[in-house]
Amino acid sequence: QSALTQPASVSGSPGQSITISCTGTNSDVGDYNFVSWYQQHPGKAPKLMIYDVSDRPSGVSNRFSGSKSGNTASLTISGLQTEDEADYYCSSYTSSSTRVFGTGTKVTVL
Amino acid sequence: QVQLQQWGAGLLKPSETLSLTCDVYGGSFSNYYWNWIRQPPGKGLEWIGEISHSGSTNYISSLKSRVTISVDTSKSQFSLKLTSVTAADTAVYYCARGPSILPNNWFDPWGQGTLVTVSS
Repeated sequence: QSALTQPASVSGSPGQSITISCTGTNSDVGDYNFVSWYQQHPGKAPKLMIYDVSDRPSGVSNRFSGSKSGNTASLTISGLQTEDEADYYCSSYTSSSTRVFGTGTKVTVL
Repeated sequence: QVQLQQWGAGLLKPSETLSLTCDVYGGSFSNYYWNWIRQPPGKGLEWIGEISHSGSTNYISSLKSRVTISVDTSKSQFSLKLTSVTAADTAVYYCARGPSILPNNWFDPWGQGTLVTVSS
């Protein structure tokens, strides 16, 4: 099972919107609406930001939103803030009943 | 508020067995799947496997021959064993709670992470 493909880095200025893509195959992202997204600050454990493609856990800002089209899922951060600077990972359920993570994207707030 | 507290040896020699345990506090243990995930230094996340409260397991194929995840519901804890470790197994290992029903895919919350270093 190969890792899902994410851009290595994405940047934006405070207040702007950015979108991170997560491309898989029709055996994972394309076949299930079970994509989740995680935010990880340096030296910290990942934090769940989005699950089931577009649902937000309680306590997560509504500036974070998710979507999916075909084999590609996306995470959009609107109204970018300095505290959003972190690494972001997507994850999907797979047809082998396993899970696969994305390669990770470093978000920089300019 | 569920919390996961993990513990185990952080320095191993090649060919030894990695052993980590994750204690679950403050919530139901029986209604969820429990996962192990690792992250090599400076690299991305890799799902290792999961176990249900009843002991049903599922592992990533690349580690299946070396990994065992077990559960002790009386102590609300689950454990990871990885045999014959090499330097490639050096990583921060995380435990995490997963969904109650499969198929599904989310991990929340996570343990604090344990750096396991394999070195002679």
